[in-house]
Amino acid sequence: EAQVTQNPRYLITVTGKKLTVTCSQNMNHEYMSWYRQDPGLGLRQIYYSMNVEVTDKGDVPEGYKVSRKEKRNFPLILESPSPNQTSLYFCASSPNVLNYEQYFGPGTRLTVT
Amino acid sequence: AQKITQTQPGMFVQEKEAVTLDCTYDTSDQSYGLFWYKQPSSGEMIFLIYQGSYDEQNATEGRYSLNFQKARKSANLVISASQLGDSAMYFCAMRRGFKTIFGAGTRLFVKA
Repeated sequence: EAQVTQNPRYLITVTGKKLTVTCSQNMNHEYMSWYRQDPGLGLRQIYYSMNVEVTDKGDVPEGYKVSRKEKRNFPLILESPSPNQTSLYFCASSPNVLNYEQYFGPGTRLTVT
Repeated sequence: AQKITQTQPGMFVQEKEAVTLDCTYDTSDQSYGLFWYKQPSSGEMIFLIYQGSYDEQNATEGRYSLNFQKARKSANLVISASQLGDSAMYFCAMRRGFKTIFGAGTRLFVKA
């Protein structure tokens, strides 16, 4: 089944404890992206990747890191999480930058206390 | 700066009636894509419909149609014959190049 998977689905952590949210797609998509969703703000793009080893900042990259060492994986790293990073996170992918439909993962709900 | 505006935080519609969800966008680019996503209470994001900036005809997908008015920079979603299962959050979004921006969303309630 073609899908985007994220792990974990739910995470409660404390301020400053490094964490990684994994994202994997099995559709051989070139383009992948991370978003955060907050009430009243919709989804905001954190980082995106056009292909392996090619990443760039979205609109809200502060406090986050990403890597794209393999085509299928695009992990989101929070080196020192803070409470303002409590949010719902989505990973998404699409075949390439010209294809506008994005396939979303199920979301990861993160709480930082 | 690119921007998406959804002016209706919440809307009610009677089952079987049509409803229009508003979306306006701001960009100086000539090439961009507009699309709508549905987010039910379960949380997943479901792609509904896409409109390219150079497409002359309005996009349609089953009960969904996109009323694209380029000069007014609007991309309203029309849902015909609303069903109870249409109750959800709806997001308008614009993709330009590598970046995507979303509106704040409209929560639609379908009444039986």
